[in-house]
Parts: sequence; C-alpha cells; structure tokens
Amino acid sequence: AAGVIQSPRHLIKEKRETATLKCYPIPRHDTVYWYQQGPGQDPQFLISFYEKMQSDKGSIPDRFSAQQFSDYHSELNMSSLELGDSALYFCASSDSRSRETQYFGPGTRLLVL
Amino acid sequence: AQSVTQLGSHVSVSEGALVLLRCNYSSSVPPYLFWYVQYPNKGLQLLLKYTSAATLVKGINGFEAEFKKSETSFHLTKPSAHMSDAAEYFCAVNIRDDKIIFGKGTRLHILP
Repeated sequence: AAGVIQSPRHLIKEKRETATLKCYPIPRHDTVYWYQQGPGQDPQFLISFYEKMQSDKGSIPDRFSAQQFSDYHSELNMSSLELGDSALYFCASSDSRSRETQYFGPGTRLLVL
Repeated sequence: AQSVTQLGSHVSVSEGALVLLRCNYSSSVPPYLFWYVQYPNKGLQLLLKYTSAATLVKGINGFEAEFKKSETSFHLTKPSAHMSDAAEYFCAVNIRDDKIIFGKGTRLHILP
C-alpha cells in the first residue's frame, strides 16, 4: 500500500539558511500534519492543513511557514535556521472520513550546523 | 487539557517474556488512543488504535491493548517478546480529529 512520502530524507544546512521540506500524502488523503521530533523527544505538533486551508496550529516558530497545494502535497518552509531546529520532521496524512487516524511518513532528518 | 503519561522511559524484558508498556491518558471527552512504534532511525508506524469500538484492540506484530475507562489506561501488551520488538513505543491521544498528542515514549529493550 502507498504510504506518505517525504523528501528529502536527510538535509544539512548552515545557520541562517533556509530549508524546504516536502510531503506527499497517501492517495485520497486530504489532510496533512507536520510534527517535529527533537533528539530523544516525543513528536510535537506544528501545523495541519485540510483542503488547502490551515486547520490547526501548534508550536510552530514564526520563522516557519507551510502550505498545502491543490494536489494535497504540502511544503514546510523554514527560514533563518537555528541550531535548535535540528530534528526529525514528520509529515502525516489522514482521510477526512476517518481523521482520527494519522499515518506518518519516514521523516526528514534536518541537521543545522 | 489532554495529555498522555507513559510510565517508564525504559523497559527491559527477556526474550519470550511478557511485554507490558503502560499508558494513562487525561481527556475531558472520549478519546481516540493509539500506540505507535519507532525503530531506530525510522519513522512512526501505527501499531494499533482505539476508536470507541471494542475495548480490547489487536494490532500488528502480536501486540494488543485494552482501553479501560475507569482507570483511564491504554496499556500495551505482547505475550512473548521477540528481539525484533526492541524499539521506542509512543502512546498517543487524538481528541478533536486533529493534532495527536504523544507521550514521552518508552524504549523497550529485549534481553537475550
């Protein structure tokens, strides 16, 4: 079965640079979620989109922005990167008919030097 | 506020022994509950979920969990541990069909 696809899988950036993470949800899933997992931490919710509209917002820094496109894929844009942004970034998707269950992608590991 | 508490950040069991990972939740409304597993350097895989149907939920890899409303618990069990079960396990709650709130995780170690 098709799963959530995230790209790139690994990313190395310098401080103050920008990064763009991409997420392709499971086919026919219309809701996308972004989570950040710091080293040794549990995943923390950042932001979610339903039908291209932001549906909920968590602890996402103002330096980050995200959007969902007409094909339901989503991009997380991160600017002025800081060392503390180094983390595993997960995207998850769900079907609006069964939104309680989220399926996670493999994650993008971001390292900021 | 909704929350999830996992008792024990590390649990060690012998191969073939019973696995019990504890999870308690706090919610003002009936919750949806999940267990996810994360293998080293891997993503989050859904093990099982409770969505207000049967209170005993069976998942993949021989795991199961029982929702006990009176105890606000959703403990994860497996009758016989296998070396391949070594991983981080996260209990999670979804209250409003939106964001998932995770517990701090329990790292399961399997002793030969």
